[in-house]
Amino acid sequence: SQQGEEDPQALSIQEGENATMNCSYKTSINNLQWYRQNSGRGLVHLILIRSNEREKHSGRLRVTLDTSKKSSSLLITASRAADTASYFCATDNYGKLTFGQGTILTVHP
Amino acid sequence: ETGVTQTPRHLVMGMTNKKSLKCEQHLGHNAMYWYKQSAKKPLELMFVYNFKEQTENNSVPSRFSPECPNSSHLFLHLHTLQPEDSALYLCASSQPLAGDLGEQYFGPGTRLTVT
Repeated sequence: SQQGEEDPQALSIQEGENATMNCSYKTSINNLQWYRQNSGRGLVHLILIRSNEREKHSGRLRVTLDTSKKSSSLLITASRAADTASYFCATDNYGKLTFGQGTILTVHP
Repeated sequence: ETGVTQTPRHLVMGMTNKKSLKCEQHLGHNAMYWYKQSAKKPLELMFVYNFKEQTENNSVPSRFSPECPNSSHLFLHLHTLQPEDSALYLCASSQPLAGDLGEQYFGPGTRLTVT
């Protein structure tokens, strides 16, 4: 079974709306990372949140981590058409990095 | 531009061919990785090199053979592949610190098609 599982698998919103993606995992971690991938390209690192952190911000991105529930969320505020991409969470289990299936986000202009 | 380059960007090969994928990072990182991304499957970690030593081989078939001559270069040698090996192969690098793998910087990938 997968370590990181994103929810929803696909999300379609209008420009200006907020987008929230969730990630659940099974084992203990030392950090959790979020990545973005445009169609058929390499992944781009967005945010890394450590197991002793609860929330982190970067521009329009907000990531939360709840280690008791083994879950994380990525919030993109005031979305833009250019945010259309696949978003992945990855859990770093003390030297072993495991990616989830990803959420496909489509932002309509 | 992430500082990680991969060549070639596209590769079509027959099942009896031998080819190599190349990855180079200009970030001064000490860890490099090969990942496989197939349609409708999570990104799969294949190999990890940390300070040029292979530290992870995620049950990858022997028809895939990695080589890391120095901390800036990583190769993936391919031979007698199967059609199900067709996928996007991604290289990444990071700077590990105190047991933490750190942020991964990915190359653009090589789209491999096995005919």
